[in-house]
Amino acid sequence: DTGVSQNPRHKITKRGQNVTFRCDPISEHNRLYWYRQTLGQGPEFLTYFQNEAQLEKSRLLSDRFSAERPKGSFSTLEIQRTEQGDSAMYLCASSLRLAGAHEQFFGPGTRLTVL
Amino acid sequence: QKEVEQDPGPLSVPEGAIVSLNCTYSNSAFQYFMWYRQYSRKGPELLMYTYSSGNKEDGRFTAQVDKSSKYISLFIRDSQPSDSATYLCAMSAAASGGSYIPTFGRGTSLIVHP
Repeated sequence: DTGVSQNPRHKITKRGQNVTFRCDPISEHNRLYWYRQTLGQGPEFLTYFQNEAQLEKSRLLSDRFSAERPKGSFSTLEIQRTEQGDSAMYLCASSLRLAGAHEQFFGPGTRLTVL
Repeated sequence: QKEVEQDPGPLSVPEGAIVSLNCTYSNSAFQYFMWYRQYSRKGPELLMYTYSSGNKEDGRFTAQVDKSSKYISLFIRDSQPSDSATYLCAMSAAASGGSYIPTFGRGTSLIVHP
């Protein structure tokens, strides 16, 4: 499978715990994006990387959220001290730099439930 | 008012019908207009995108953009039960560093019944 992959697919955690999600983009894609999607809403942008550089962050990305993309390959999104409001689907997408963000390819998402 | 407005539906149609899905927007700087299909508990799948105004056709799908009215549409001909999904519109404009980060509508749920 050469698409975007995300792990884990589901995560249930207790309030106050830390969680980390992983995204593996399509291999030749140098741009990687993180989104959050809640029920009945469209994806909301969180942050994006071009290679290993984090170029843009949304105001939605509070200081409890941190994302990394070491070596410009896979990326991780960590949420510290989770809150019930963090429950959502976390989506990763990738694109070629030359293609632009309008040709993003999404992974299946990680569904987070905070109890 | 949100930058991108999309009726959540659900829109229920019989198999074979022509489906019209629409979005309105307020940001005149939007240049790229995308349509994604999302099945339940899956990630969005890019169907097609259009740059600026005009029409674009891909098989049973036709996308239209009317920038003067800030209105975009997706038409699905000969709809099939397998088309049942949520359809998300998304739009983007040049941002700092040329990132073109898209803004998504909330999606319209489409149900095509046999």
